[in-house]
Amino acid sequence: KAGVTQTPRYLIKTRGQQVTLSCSPISGHRSVSWYQQTPGQGLQFLFEYFSETQRNKGNFPGRFSGRQFSNSRSEMNVSTLELGDSALYLCASSLVGGSSGNTIYFGEGSWLTVV
Amino acid sequence: AQSVTQLDSQVPVFEEAPVELRCNYSSSVSVYLFWYVQYPNQGLQLLLKYLSGSTLVKGINGFEAEFNKSQTSFHLRKPSVHISDTAEYFCAVSGTEYGNKLVFGAGTILRVKS
Repeated sequence: KAGVTQTPRYLIKTRGQQVTLSCSPISGHRSVSWYQQTPGQGLQFLFEYFSETQRNKGNFPGRFSGRQFSNSRSEMNVSTLELGDSALYLCASSLVGGSSGNTIYFGEGSWLTVV
Repeated sequence: AQSVTQLDSQVPVFEEAPVELRCNYSSSVSVYLFWYVQYPNQGLQLLLKYLSGSTLVKGINGFEAEFNKSQTSFHLRKPSVHISDTAEYFCAVSGTEYGNKLVFGAGTILRVKS
């Protein structure tokens, strides 16, 4: 069974640009969550999508957005990039997500560097 | 907001010695508890989880954790560590009081020395 797949793995962007990251969840999983990991702030929840609807949202500015498609694949977008957006972005999938206690499986992450 | 505290940012230990990584959470109501491991340049891998039932949970790679409701703790233990256990370990909690999402501790870097 394939795991959570994230693309691209590494990317470098210039301040002010935008970026789109992609995530393919484990087959059959309907919940996809995104997390930002930085040395200073640790792992922070961005948002969760379930059945194409944003079900939960963390405390990030509106520049961070996401969406989920009918096949459960998800994308997140960051517009007007700032240097502080440099981070590892992790996608995670689970059967139903929320606080169900379902195991949440993580991808390898997308390393974003903003210069 | 509910929080998760990992009391040690780094834990150095010699190979074959026992180790305990500490985790405390703030909620007093029902929660789900998890330990994840992150090797360099990789994502997070689930070691074990507690949903309900027996307070001693066994996971992969010889790790186990004990849920202590009165002390709101979920400490991770391994009786004998290997060099390959060198990684960062994250405690995480979910539940309605945690906003129905996984809330992570700051992480503990386990350094196993030969």
